[in-house]
Amino acid sequence: DQQVKQNSPSLSVQEGRISILNCDYTNSMFDYFLWYKKYPAEGPTFLISISSIKDKNEDGRFTVFLNKSAKHLSLHIVPSQPGDSAVYFCAASGVTGGGNKLTFGTGTQLKVEL
Amino acid sequence: GAGVSQSPSNKVTEKGKDVELRCDPISGHTALYWYRQSLGQGLEFLIYFQGNSAPDKSGLPSDRFSAERTGGSVSTLTIQRTQQEDSAVYLCASSRSGVQETQYFGPGTRLLVL
Repeated sequence: DQQVKQNSPSLSVQEGRISILNCDYTNSMFDYFLWYKKYPAEGPTFLISISSIKDKNEDGRFTVFLNKSAKHLSLHIVPSQPGDSAVYFCAASGVTGGGNKLTFGTGTQLKVEL
Repeated sequence: GAGVSQSPSNKVTEKGKDVELRCDPISGHTALYWYRQSLGQGLEFLIYFQGNSAPDKSGLPSDRFSAERTGGSVSTLTIQRTQQEDSAVYLCASSRSGVQETQYFGPGTRLLVL
């Protein structure tokens, strides 16, 4: 069963506009969430994280929102830049819900167009 | 400082052969993880080491897979009698400890079993 879901396999956004990437999870024991960016032939690069005690975390152009009641999180990138074009993975973990291993979504391919 | 390194970067082997994949975590990181990404899939957890504790092997897909971590640092993932379905990118990650700590990934080893 897919405990972390990214239902949009791809997203295309114009440079300068907002990119919104979505992620849903089913395991209520998850309490820590991360977003990673991955370029081809490279390992995932950490972007931003959020603990379940918060509903928002911001770092520069990146903001992650967490809606625990809906079991939904989103990553906002503002403004989007061509270098943001990559695959974005949502990941979750829970000390009491599977330990420290990360459960990943299948990724969303973001393309930022000029 | 140096990030997580993995070797080899690419490995082509014949079905039935054994392979060893190596991971050097970030210095001082006590937690080490192995994941794999098969074509078109998200990252799948394999095994987790934390300090001197017994590893969490719950993600290993079969008894052909094993891993060890010597001296609390370098780790080796061994796949015996490789099968074509073992073809994937094998990713190693490390974190400072295990609890809600960001995992930093290496570049991966691309394994192709012919």
